[in-house]
Amino acid sequence: EDKVVQSPLSLVVHEGDTVTLNCSYEVTNFRSLLWYKQEKKAPTFLFMLTSSGIEKKSGRLSSILDKKELFSILNITATQTGDSAVYLCAVEDNYGQNFVFGPGTRLSVLP
Amino acid sequence: DVKVTQSSRYLVKRTGEKVFLECVQDMDHENMFWYRQDPGLGLRLIYFSYDVKMKEKGDIPEGYSVSREKKERFSLILESASTNQTSMYLCASTSPGQGGYEQYFGPGTRLTVT
Repeated sequence: EDKVVQSPLSLVVHEGDTVTLNCSYEVTNFRSLLWYKQEKKAPTFLFMLTSSGIEKKSGRLSSILDKKELFSILNITATQTGDSAVYLCAVEDNYGQNFVFGPGTRLSVLP
Repeated sequence: DVKVTQSSRYLVKRTGEKVFLECVQDMDHENMFWYRQDPGLGLRLIYFSYDVKMKEKGDIPEGYSVSREKKERFSLILESASTNQTSMYLCASTSPGQGGYEQYFGPGTRLTVT
């Protein structure tokens, strides 16, 4: 059965800290891994990582994919209170017809 | 920008009522999805559709049906609402990205069944 595991499930840090969120997966036919940020509304897309793009960076956020070890990490440097959210990891394994989501990591950034 | 819209942000219905949740996307995407999201359970797939009039059951289809008469519109129907269907409902559609598919979500409908 396809599975996506995220750790930690919950994390509390202070502004300025650097955090690393983990996502590991077991899927039959991996095609891409996606990261989302969800505040009190729908998830918003952050990154997609595939075989042809295993490292992505946008401002203070960066992500890498290790296809051999079947995991990805999302790094956030110099955290701000606005980074407080649930971060979801999902794996796509069937040409856009199947997405398996992890449970999410709830990040709280304290001032 | 991709736009996925849902007909209602908040909805309160009574047990036994028939409920329609509508989702519209404006980017000619073929794949559309309905999820529900509950605390501690994450996102669970109810149904998805890969073309007009085509649908596939997800992980939790019981108590739900769907309709896709036009490519841009995907409706979720609760035939007889029950209190255990109180949840956040998220619609999504996908577009091909570089090497994979990006999934975009609508704003969500928070449904309360009393």
